[in-house]
Amino acid sequence: SQTIHQWPATLVQPVGSPLSLECTVEGTSNPNLYWYRQAAGRGLQLLFYSVGIGQISSEVPQNLSASRPQDRQFILSSKKLLLSDSGFYLCAWSTRTAQPQHFGDGTRLSIL
Amino acid sequence: TQLLEQSPQFLSIQEGENLTVYCNSSSVFSSLQWYRQEPGEGPVLLVTVVTGGEVKKLKRLTFQFGDARKDSSLHITAAQPGDTGLYLCAGDGVGNNQGGKLIFGQGTELSVKP
Repeated sequence: SQTIHQWPATLVQPVGSPLSLECTVEGTSNPNLYWYRQAAGRGLQLLFYSVGIGQISSEVPQNLSASRPQDRQFILSSKKLLLSDSGFYLCAWSTRTAQPQHFGDGTRLSIL
Repeated sequence: TQLLEQSPQFLSIQEGENLTVYCNSSSVFSSLQWYRQEPGEGPVLLVTVVTGGEVKKLKRLTFQFGDARKDSSLHITAAQPGDTGLYLCAGDGVGNNQGGKLIFGQGTELSVKP
């Protein structure tokens, strides 16, 4: 069966520090991969999605970047975090030709 | 730009009551999904509806896809405290050149009090 792992679960970082959140998927090949940010108790904002290694589409201009160095690995990064980068970050995967999306347990990022 | 309007945003009810959550759009979707999310966790898929007019039941939950595939509803019968959570609808924009991305509604935060 397929599983998705996202870490860390919580992270507290100072303003101006770098960021690296990692997401890996097991049990499937060539998945579509997604990074979302969620405001407290609200809907999901799509940040990045990827249909293959090295292929990244950015949905909104921001202080973040994404990379896909391997088929089942998706990384969310920042060189210098801003206070506004605080939030709940979710990684998800789907098959290439059909939904739905399957989510990780998220990372709670707090910027101080 | 495709949008999904979800209502109500907040709902607080007593155990045993019925409720309906709505998800509306002016756009047509290839499919529509409902997710439930608990605090500190990722959303979990409840159901996918694909055909216009389709009705799916999951125990006390009934999901309906509108005939024109622009709207959907989630009805819960005899709500229980375990139903508490954030309910999200999401539309598949593949049919409208959205690259397989999902369009999410803003969510309905349901609280069922014992």
